[in-house]
Amino acid sequence: DSGVTQTPKHLITATGQRVTLRCSPRSGDLSVYWYQQSLDQGLQFLIQYYNGEERAKGNILERFSAQQFPDLHSELNLSSLELGDSALYFCASSVDGVIDEKLFFGSGTQLSVL
Amino acid sequence: AQSVAQPEDQVNVAEGNPLTVKCTYSVSGNPYLFWYVQYPNRGLQFLLKYITGDNLVKGSYGFEAEFNKSQTSFHLKKPSALVSDSALYFCAVRDGGNRDDKIIFGKGTRLHILP
Repeated sequence: DSGVTQTPKHLITATGQRVTLRCSPRSGDLSVYWYQQSLDQGLQFLIQYYNGEERAKGNILERFSAQQFPDLHSELNLSSLELGDSALYFCASSVDGVIDEKLFFGSGTQLSVL
Repeated sequence: AQSVAQPEDQVNVAEGNPLTVKCTYSVSGNPYLFWYVQYPNRGLQFLLKYITGDNLVKGSYGFEAEFNKSQTSFHLKKPSALVSDSALYFCAVRDGGNRDDKIIFGKGTRLHILP
């Protein structure tokens, strides 16, 4: 168990809908990362937060947004969902978000858009 | 921008044989390199990292990786493969010369260890 908790584990929804994925980092970790894993694209970096502030941004669509709250948990909001958004979404955390730190990954949220 | 490539989608190795999973990278500054493993229905787990120093890095479960600056490679190796090593392996890089120091993962290599 990595100590990173993601909810829900599975999510099934329809095109055009909006969903929220939640991540609780390991106790003491200040930095949270979001990744999208799909068969054709591999593991795509979406966004990183450190202590509530956005630190780095990847290939995150405008329909997607995220935030990190004062208690350090993070939420990834996906709106106007399309079939192509179906993927496994991972959250990871690290202590300080510095360049040589290893990441601890949650078990992911499997999103299916029908 | 940094990038990382894993040229093989799948590698098959007989149990007991040595294994190599290949990774090459591109960065503007100093590379910070990582290997992670993903077992079915699980998140990624850290195996090892190279930051600086000795080019041969040892990690978890008997794995090691060799950093080669001239070839911009960071191949994962193990002297004797186990069936339990079968999993999806990801190479990742962070660019020390980039203030936007996001960590980028390769597409992954599926390792099959044949009994």
